[in-house]
Amino acid sequence: DTEVTQTPKHLVMGMTNKKSLKCEQHMGHRAMYWYKQKAKKPPELMFVYSYEKLSINESVPSRFSPECPNSSLLNLHLHALQPEDSALYLCASSLRGPGEAFFGQGTRLTVV
Amino acid sequence: EDKVVQSPLSLVVHEGDTVTLNCSYEVTNFRSLLWYKQEKKAPTFLFMLTSSGIEKKSGRLSSILDKKELFSILNITATQTGDSAVYLCAAPRGQGGKLIFGQGTELSVKP
Repeated sequence: DTEVTQTPKHLVMGMTNKKSLKCEQHMGHRAMYWYKQKAKKPPELMFVYSYEKLSINESVPSRFSPECPNSSLLNLHLHALQPEDSALYLCASSLRGPGEAFFGQGTRLTVV
Repeated sequence: EDKVVQSPLSLVVHEGDTVTLNCSYEVTNFRSLLWYKQEKKAPTFLFMLTSSGIEKKSGRLSSILDKKELFSILNITATQTGDSAVYLCAAPRGQGGKLIFGQGTELSVKP
């Protein structure tokens, strides 16, 4: 199994909603990442979890809250988002740290 | 400041052409350079390069790294319409696993 699975694939939410994005991998990878990607731009790192501990937070607003319940799962909790947060949210994992990262298919988020 | 720069930003070719995509980098404590292909959604891993001068090959795609001149190239021979995508080059920075991406090269292969 060399997949990173993200759900949902698409999400439309209002600015007062609370929702969660989910990411799962069963490759035994110990580093997991959330990236945000706007149209025609490269992915931008949001968070890195290494061995289930948050190791990097790229000054992301608190309306995004990551959670790593175990080594296979990574969640991103969303609350009170703004329309400018609409983007493709990508999850990735790698064996330990820097290096070959596998990406999920992403969640296309629209905030209305 | 660490950075990765790709060129060209976009490229239009015809099927059967050979293309070369460029990636230059300035990264402190450089360890590796990665190439990804992104179609509609997820970037798909192509190559990881760590050693200078050793070509990595996968079918019609190949890539090489020059650590002296701080660049890498991605070659695609006999291009097909299915090669149309954005090609991203990235380098890990620091110990935490952050990837610094280039802007991407948007390749369009016309029939």
